[in-house]
Amino acid sequence: DIQMTQSPSSLSASVGDRVTITCQASQDISNKLNWYQQKPGKAPKLLIYDASNLETGVPSRFSGSGSGTDFTFTISSLQPEDIATYFCQQYDNLLPYTFGQGTKLEIK
Amino acid sequence: EVQLVESAGVVVQPGGSLRLSCADSGFTFDDFTMHWVRQAPGKGLEWVSLITWDGGSTFYADSVRGRFTISRDNRKNSLFLQMNSLTTEDTALYYCAKGLDGSGTLWGQGTLVTVSS
Repeated sequence: DIQMTQSPSSLSASVGDRVTITCQASQDISNKLNWYQQKPGKAPKLLIYDASNLETGVPSRFSGSGSGTDFTFTISSLQPEDIATYFCQQYDNLLPYTFGQGTKLEIK
Repeated sequence: EVQLVESAGVVVQPGGSLRLSCADSGFTFDDFTMHWVRQAPGKGLEWVSLITWDGGSTFYADSVRGRFTISRDNRKNSLFLQMNSLTTEDTALYYCAKGLDGSGTLWGQGTLVTVSS
């Protein structure tokens, strides 16, 4: 199975800060990576697909980059409504799909 | 708003069976591969099973193969997971998800399955 190592596991930042989360795959997954936002009691919401493509309707302050094994998710200017848990998920051809452990983002 | 809605959570005894369902309120259900993903208490997300758009192919995680069966009814925009021989290790929040492989990916809110005597 492909292991996804996500860091940090938690993060505290101020409104307006630039926030960065990373995911590292245990083998090359090309650009087959999703990033999600999940608020308590809610369904995970897709923000970024194919590592760097913004899903329709998602604010442009969210972005993703990377390919191969190393990926980065960025919020350019943190807003209060961005408080949530964020996680990555790989969908390379080889099953099973696997997930990062998640990053809990809080306001400082 | 298009959404996936899972059946209500339940408590079932070890060794028991349960059928989960998931209804898609949108119009693209039969365009997508559908999945079940679970999260045990205090653990990470675990992919469980997938079924292709036409139901022609199914795949399972090693942990559930031979005990769980995924199916779908495209006429009713519905996804199912038949779970047999349940153990306490199957206690988790179960999510249905559409796609998981790019744009259009959509998750339900999850249904809690508790296996306990």
